[in-house]
Amino acid sequence: KNEVEQSPQNLTAQEGEFITINCSYSVGISALHWLQQHPGGGIVSLFMLSSGKKKHGRLIATINIQEKHSSLHITASHPRDSAVYICAVRTSGSRLTFGEGTQLTVNP
Amino acid sequence: GAVVSQHPSRVICKSGTSVKIECRSLDFQATTMFWYRQFPKQSLMLMATSNEGSKATYEQGVEKDKFLINHASLTLSTLTVTSAHPEDSSFYICSAVGQGHYEQYFGPGTRLTVT
Repeated sequence: KNEVEQSPQNLTAQEGEFITINCSYSVGISALHWLQQHPGGGIVSLFMLSSGKKKHGRLIATINIQEKHSSLHITASHPRDSAVYICAVRTSGSRLTFGEGTQLTVNP
Repeated sequence: GAVVSQHPSRVICKSGTSVKIECRSLDFQATTMFWYRQFPKQSLMLMATSNEGSKATYEQGVEKDKFLINHASLTLSTLTVTSAHPEDSSFYICSAVGQGHYEQYFGPGTRLTVT
C-alpha cells in the first residue's frame, strides 16, 4: 500500500461541474501539497496545507489531520483545468512523498 | 512565487553520449535541490537530494556514477546523464528549497530522448 493514495485515478467532467479529488495518507506529516501538472510537464504548486482549509479562486483545499485525509475541490470547472493533480505529503525536512496523481479532463 | 528554471527543456542525444541538465533558482538561494524523473503516466520518482557544497544523496537503485549531480552554488545544480541509453529517456524535473524554508519550487522539466 502506498503511503499516499489518491482517488479517483481518472476523472472526466463537463464544463461547469463541481469536482472533488481525494487524498489519503498513512504517515505523520508536517504539511500536504496539492500540485498541478499540465500536459507540457511543468508542475505548479497550488496549495500547501497543514490544517483547515485554503481557497484560491475556484480552487479549495481542505485537510483533516485526524483522519489523514485531504480534498481538492474545483468549482465551476473549465476545460483549462484539465491536468494531472498530484497530492504530496511532507514528512521530514523538505522531502515529499507523492501520490500517483489524478488525471482530470473537463469537456466543453 | 519563487521561480526555478531548467535548461534545456528538450534534448535529443545519441546513445553513449552524456547530457547535462541545469536547474537554477532565479530569485532565491536554494540550499537544497531535488532531482526527479517521471515516466509517462507515472508520478515523480526522487532520484537524489543535492545540498549546496556537499555530495548528493542518491535514492536506492539510482546509480551515482551514471547520474552525476553537482550543486556548486546556491542558485545552480546540474544533473549529468553519462553514457546515456534509450532507457534513460524520461522527463527530468528539479525542485529547489530556499534557505530556512521547506516548500519545494519545481522547475518546468527537461524531456530527454536518447536515440
